[in-house]
Amino acid sequence: SYELTQPPSVSVSPGQTASITCSGDKLGDKYACWYQQKPGQSPVLVIYQDSKRPSGIPERFSGSNSGNTATLTISGTQAMDEADYYCQAWDSSILYVFGTGTKVTVL
Amino acid sequence: QVQLVQSGAEVKKPGASVKVSCKVSGYTLTELSMHWVRQAPGKGLEWMGGFDPEDGETIYAQKFQGRVTMTEDTSTDTAYMELSSLRSEDTAVYYCATLVASSGYFDYWGQGTLVTVSS
Repeated sequence: SYELTQPPSVSVSPGQTASITCSGDKLGDKYACWYQQKPGQSPVLVIYQDSKRPSGIPERFSGSNSGNTATLTISGTQAMDEADYYCQAWDSSILYVFGTGTKVTVL
Repeated sequence: QVQLVQSGAEVKKPGASVKVSCKVSGYTLTELSMHWVRQAPGKGLEWMGGFDPEDGETIYAQKFQGRVTMTEDTSTDTAYMELSSLRSEDTAVYYCATLVASSGYFDYWGQGTLVTVSS
């Protein structure tokens, strides 16, 4: 079965840039998206189609996807960005697969 | 704007079944592709299955085949997920979520329903 691997945790200082990776076989050939989940809340879509931001998501969130790695970048990280982040990929063969999740801590 | 409101928390004994509902407002259920995702305590997200608009069929993750049934009542715009033969490992928050089929992402999520399986 298809697997997406993320680092368990990422720490970042306020105002700095956080990068979260998501690795999977030929991930760049599939669409990747990212969700933010705060404690006790439902996931919220922050990036779709590799690099597009839904309405209402701040510009500091950006994404890329190439080769075997998708990356979510948070520029100028704020305390409110502290959350768990999950990547997710899709195609007709793997269906819908979520990454292992990354806890972002803003120190 | 789509709103998804799920039924309340459930406590079930091992071997029992649970049926979780997801009421849609803002759109009709026929305009949406509804899916279900679960999250065990302290764990990640796990896709369970949902409606595939390309062939009009409901598809299930292999892990849940034979144990899960997803249905829809279009007269009330309510989707249901029933999981049978419950075991302790099924203790989780179950979410309904709408799929944007062309790009394979979930744009709207319900608030989640905690299902606890305990003897």
